[in-house]
Amino acid sequence: EVQLVESGGGLVQPGGSLRLSCAASGFSLSNYAMHWVRQAPGRGLEFVSAITSDGGTTFYADSVKGRFTISRDTSKTTLYLQMGSLRTEDMAVYFCAREGSYKYESSGYSYTFGFFDYWGQGTLVTVSS
Amino acid sequence: DIQMTQSPSSLSASVGDRVTITCRASQSISTYLNWYQQTPMKAPKLLIYAASRLQSGVPSRFTGSGSGTDFTLTISSLQPADFATYYCHQSYSSTHTFGGGTKVEIK
Repeated sequence: EVQLVESGGGLVQPGGSLRLSCAASGFSLSNYAMHWVRQAPGRGLEFVSAITSDGGTTFYADSVKGRFTISRDTSKTTLYLQMGSLRTEDMAVYFCAREGSYKYESSGYSYTFGFFDYWGQGTLVTVSS
Repeated sequence: DIQMTQSPSSLSASVGDRVTITCRASQSISTYLNWYQQTPMKAPKLLIYAASRLQSGVPSRFTGSGSGTDFTLTISSLQPADFATYYCHQSYSSTHTFGGGTKVEIK
């Protein structure tokens, strides 16, 4: 059974740092791209960061670029999000999500569609003095 | 970044109603469009992927359609469990983006 369990959230002062973890089970991180998505209180979903299945490429939303770093430890089956220079607007529930894929072939071309098929329960990050 | 605009932001409906939610992308995303359902204090749940493909275990009253920039999610006959917030999500670009959400409330 696939499971994702986040941890590491809590209260931090503006300007502070925090590291979130996402423990994955039931599948290998080496086979899937992984994402962090956040949701501020009463707001919608926001993409934060992603790492490819081979771990070689990372992506960030403009709002966190230069402050957050995504990484993973495949031997520990854990995804991380190192957050620095935290701002009040970073306060949110942070979810990790697995990117599943659907491959479609037509007229000699191959297309791979990504979607979030498994999510963790989320961990709350509160940024306040 | 690709902007995703959902409408309406909220709607009121009754059990048995047909409900349609729309999502528009700021540029063509082919069919790299997914739909999720979220209830309070829960993680989102995948309903539709690749614009029109029903995720395993999701009731057939949910259908998705569209390509390019315009997409719709339709619930053919609203059930009590369907009162929730729905989000579209594009995976065309490496930096994915979500629509602002549509809250479906009980009339």
